[in-house]
Amino acid sequence: DTGVSQDPRHKITKRGQNVTFRCDPISEHNRLYWYRQTLGQGPEFLTYFQNEAQLEKSRLLSDRFSAERPKGSFSTLEIQRTEQGDSAMYLCASSLMAGDEKLFFGSGTQLSVL
Amino acid sequence: SQELEQSPQSLIVQEGKNLTINCTSSKTLYGLYWYKQKYGEGLIFLMMLQKGGEEKSHEKITAKLDEKKQQSSLHITASQPSHAGIYLCGADSGTYKYIFGTGTRLKVLA
Repeated sequence: DTGVSQDPRHKITKRGQNVTFRCDPISEHNRLYWYRQTLGQGPEFLTYFQNEAQLEKSRLLSDRFSAERPKGSFSTLEIQRTEQGDSAMYLCASSLMAGDEKLFFGSGTQLSVL
Repeated sequence: SQELEQSPQSLIVQEGKNLTINCTSSKTLYGLYWYKQKYGEGLIFLMMLQKGGEEKSHEKITAKLDEKKQQSSLHITASQPSHAGIYLCGADSGTYKYIFGTGTRLKVLA
């Protein structure tokens, strides 16, 4: 399977714990995006990378959220000191710098903060 | 900032019926994307529209972008249970920050 892969699919954590999610994009894709989706809403843009450069991070929800893409391949999204309001689906997408910007999404990581 | 509004929020139709979903942008669209999402899954690309008046079809799904490029519609002909899911419109709000509407939840009754 050469699609976008996210790990884990589900994460249950206690409030105050740190969590990290991983995204492996389609191998030739230069751009990588993180979104958050809550029940009944569309995906909410968080941040994106072009290769290893993080070009937009102002939409990250707070300073508890951080993302990295160290070698321009896989990416991680970390949430520190989780809160119940962080419970959501975290989606990763990738695209080619080809002009049509079709996004390919992973299946997401469902986070539940107890 | 740009916003996308979808209507209706949810739709229940009998199998075989036609339906239309609308997406309205607060600003001129320079690319409008339609995606489908199954519950608890990621989004799957359906179609992209860029030019005013453009219309594209794939199987029984047709999408149009109006001449003023601020509204798009998605039309499904002879709906089937396999069409059920969440339909989302998306657009570039500037510098590749892609935003999405709140989605339309479609249920097709067999």
